[in-house]
Amino acid sequence: ETGVTQSPTHLIKTRGQQVTLRCSSQSGHNTVSWYQQALGQGPQFIFQYYREEENGRGNFPPRFSGLQFPNYSSELNVNALELDDSALYLCASSLSRSQETQYFGPGTRLLVL
Amino acid sequence: AQSVTQLDSHVSVSEGTPVLLRCNYSSSYSPSLFWYVQHPNKGLQLLLKYTSAATLVKGINGFEAEFKKSETSFHLTKPSAHMSDAAEYFCVVSVGFSGGYNKLIFGAGTRLAVHP
Repeated sequence: ETGVTQSPTHLIKTRGQQVTLRCSSQSGHNTVSWYQQALGQGPQFIFQYYREEENGRGNFPPRFSGLQFPNYSSELNVNALELDDSALYLCASSLSRSQETQYFGPGTRLLVL
Repeated sequence: AQSVTQLDSHVSVSEGTPVLLRCNYSSSYSPSLFWYVQHPNKGLQLLLKYTSAATLVKGINGFEAEFKKSETSFHLTKPSAHMSDAAEYFCVVSVGFSGGYNKLIFGAGTRLAVHP
């Protein structure tokens, strides 16, 4: 059974650029959630995708958007990058949207200069 | 609103001594609570979860946590610390929404240091 994988592991961008982060969910899981973890803080919920639709969203601006594909993999897109977007971005998958247990990938560390 | 508060930002123990990481929760109903661990430059690993089946929950690597409704606490313990336990630990509550989705709300984290 393959766990949650994310790519790339590290990324450096400049302010104003756009970035796409990718996530493959654990085998059999149809729900993907994204979290942002700033340095020294706990992760914050960005949004959740279920069956290719956004199923719930945290307190993040619209320039944070996502996609989920038929194979349940997912992308997080961030437009007009700001310095404060520098963080570890974590993807988590769960068996279904009603299942509370989420399994996390290793994360993508984004640095915005 | 549901939330968790981790009472210690840093805990330092000697190898072989007990570990206690404290967490209080706030919830209007019986919550689902979790402990996750994050080793340096790694993702989050699920240690254990409480979903009202039993108040004492056993997790991986010898960790356990006890749900105490009267004290609104969910403290994490381990009888004997190992050097490999040094990491950041997060107490987490799951919040459900009418749209049918759940999100996790994390505490601020407790950094555990283990000294030889």
